[in-house]
Amino acid sequence: GQQLNQSPQSMFIQEGEDVSMNCTSSSIFNTWLWYKQDPGEGPVLLIALYKAGELTSNGRLTAQFGITRKDSFLNISASIPSDVGIYFCAGETDNYGQNFVFGPGTRLSVLP
Amino acid sequence: DAGVTQSPTHLIKTRGQQVTLRCSPKSGHDTVSWYQQALGQGPQFIFQYYEEEERQRGNFPDRFSGHQFPNYSSELNVNALLLGDSALYLCASSALPLHDLEQYFGPGTRLTVT
Repeated sequence: GQQLNQSPQSMFIQEGEDVSMNCTSSSIFNTWLWYKQDPGEGPVLLIALYKAGELTSNGRLTAQFGITRKDSFLNISASIPSDVGIYFCAGETDNYGQNFVFGPGTRLSVLP
Repeated sequence: DAGVTQSPTHLIKTRGQQVTLRCSPKSGHDTVSWYQQALGQGPQFIFQYYEEEERQRGNFPDRFSGHQFPNYSSELNVNALLLGDSALYLCASSALPLHDLEQYFGPGTRLTVT
């Protein structure tokens, strides 16, 4: 079945640093979503990408839909303590929202 | 504008028992998807309901079944519980078949099977 890989698996950064994480697959996806999940809560949607090459920002967050449609990255600029959490990418293949495949997540820790 | 709500928050069941989890979608949404999230992993798609019918199903056994009501709320039922069914069960809603493919998640129900 389709699988998504996320890297890095975890990362520790200093407050104020920029963060970059990515999501790759051997399969083509038509939609990419990036979520953040805090402990004990459901994932919160950060950014949605619908076209290959699309670059979208949401405040300090920027995500891009890879040209090959097999990858996506998420950047966080000037990290703050509340950025701590697990970041998941999710891909969907049929444009009908029927089945999203999630990556295993990148755990971000921000040191003061 | 109420977001996605789920009940109960936590649940403890014994092996072999049956459980029903409930979800109310975000206002304006008509599609509900259910996911299972084991500890330390990403959510795994169970199935999706639209117009009171199951539209798509992930790789889960028939012990997992669901229902959607006319008001778009949904239930997830799991029969003959196994220890491996212990997980966070997430409900996500979206507005299909419109262009909005974004799914919004509820806080989840933590199921523990002993």
